[in-house]
Amino acid sequence: EVQLVESGGGLVQSGGSLRLSCAASGFTFSNYAMSWVRQAPGKGLEWVSAISGSGGITYYTDSAKGRFTISRDSSMNTLYLQMNSLRAEDTAIYYCARHSEVVSRNSYSDHWGQGTLVTVSS
Amino acid sequence: AIQLTQSPSSLSASVGDRVTITCRASQGISSALAWYQQNPGKAPNLLIYDASSLGTGVPSRFSGSGSGTDFTLTISSLQPEDFATYYCQQFNTYPFTFGGGTKVEIK
Repeated sequence: EVQLVESGGGLVQSGGSLRLSCAASGFTFSNYAMSWVRQAPGKGLEWVSAISGSGGITYYTDSAKGRFTISRDSSMNTLYLQMNSLRAEDTAIYYCARHSEVVSRNSYSDHWGQGTLVTVSS
Repeated sequence: AIQLTQSPSSLSASVGDRVTITCRASQGISSALAWYQQNPGKAPNLLIYDASSLGTGVPSRFSGSGSGTDFTLTISSLQPEDFATYYCQQFNTYPFTFGGGTKVEIK
């Protein structure tokens, strides 16, 4: 059974940093691209970043470029999102999601974690 | 970035009703579109991928159609567990974008 478990969320001051983790199990981690998607309180879904199965290809939404870094460790079956220079508008539940292929483009997200809440206080 | 416009943003329907939600892309995305269902406090759940393929374990009352810029999600006979929020997402061009969501409420 595919399982994705996020951790690392919490309360942080504006300008601070957090590293989110997503522990994956039930599948061969390196065979699938992964994404982070967030949802601000009471709002819709927003894609944040994606990484290929090898970790060599990464993509970011404009608001994340230069502040967030996505990475993965296949020995630990874990996906990460390093978030720096956090702003109030980054407050959201952050979900990790598995793509259906080893690259993210033209591959949908078929499994999602339950999310971790990040709150940025101003 | 490609914009996805979902309509309606909300609707009220009764059990047994046929429901259709539309998603229009600001430029062509071939068939690289997925539909997700989200219940309050829960993660999204994949319903439809590649515009018209049914996700694993998804009831057959859900169906998707379209390609290019215009897509639809249809629930043929609404069930009590279908009252939720539905999102479309394109995965053709970065940044991947979501529609604004459609909340399906009980009439």
